[in-house]
Amino acid sequence: DGGITQSPKYLFRKEGQNVTLSCEQNLNHDAMYWYRQDPGQGLRLIYYSQIVNDFQKGDIAEGYSVSREKKESFPLTVTSAQKNPTAFYLCASSDGGGGRETQYFGPGTRLLVL
Amino acid sequence: DAKTTQPTSMDCAEGRAANLPCNHSTISGNEYVYWYRQIHSQGPQYIIHGLKNNETNEMASLIITEDRKSSTLILPHATLRDTAVYYCIVRASEINFNKFYFGSGTKLNVKP
Repeated sequence: DGGITQSPKYLFRKEGQNVTLSCEQNLNHDAMYWYRQDPGQGLRLIYYSQIVNDFQKGDIAEGYSVSREKKESFPLTVTSAQKNPTAFYLCASSDGGGGRETQYFGPGTRLLVL
Repeated sequence: DAKTTQPTSMDCAEGRAANLPCNHSTISGNEYVYWYRQIHSQGPQYIIHGLKNNETNEMASLIITEDRKSSTLILPHATLRDTAVYYCIVRASEINFNKFYFGSGTKLNVKP
């Protein structure tokens, strides 16, 4: 089946620890995105990548890092610099452009701080 | 991107049509209207999008006013599984064209 997978579904982080969230897509999409969602809120953009080996900061990039070495993969690292990492993290991908593209989302990873 | 305004919550009886409004009075000519929904603790699901003409697919219909300052998402026969938060997004086609801005959305409660 084509789609976006995220793992793990739940992740626990200790104080001062870096953790990496996985996002893989087999839709052959060029662009990929990471969003953060806090309870009762909308989604906020962390990072996005329009093409392999290139990515840009979104609205809340501080304390996060990404890489885009392969078209299919866009892992997100939550560093110890992110002081409030507890949230629901969503990965998305899209193709096309010119205002007609549609973003497709993965199932999400819930990160909790111990 | 244009700001959107949606009601915080709405109720709908099962089997009836659900009409979800969205105001986007500052929309520009090149901005598309998108609708997504998010069922609790899942990733958002794409529903429909349009520029100026009304659109229909297997999930819903999108009605955009002639001046494009507002739109309505219609679920023709709502079921309990349609209970979700519905997001209306207006996104430019050139500037920051890959960025979607999600607000707080409308919580639709479908009741038996």
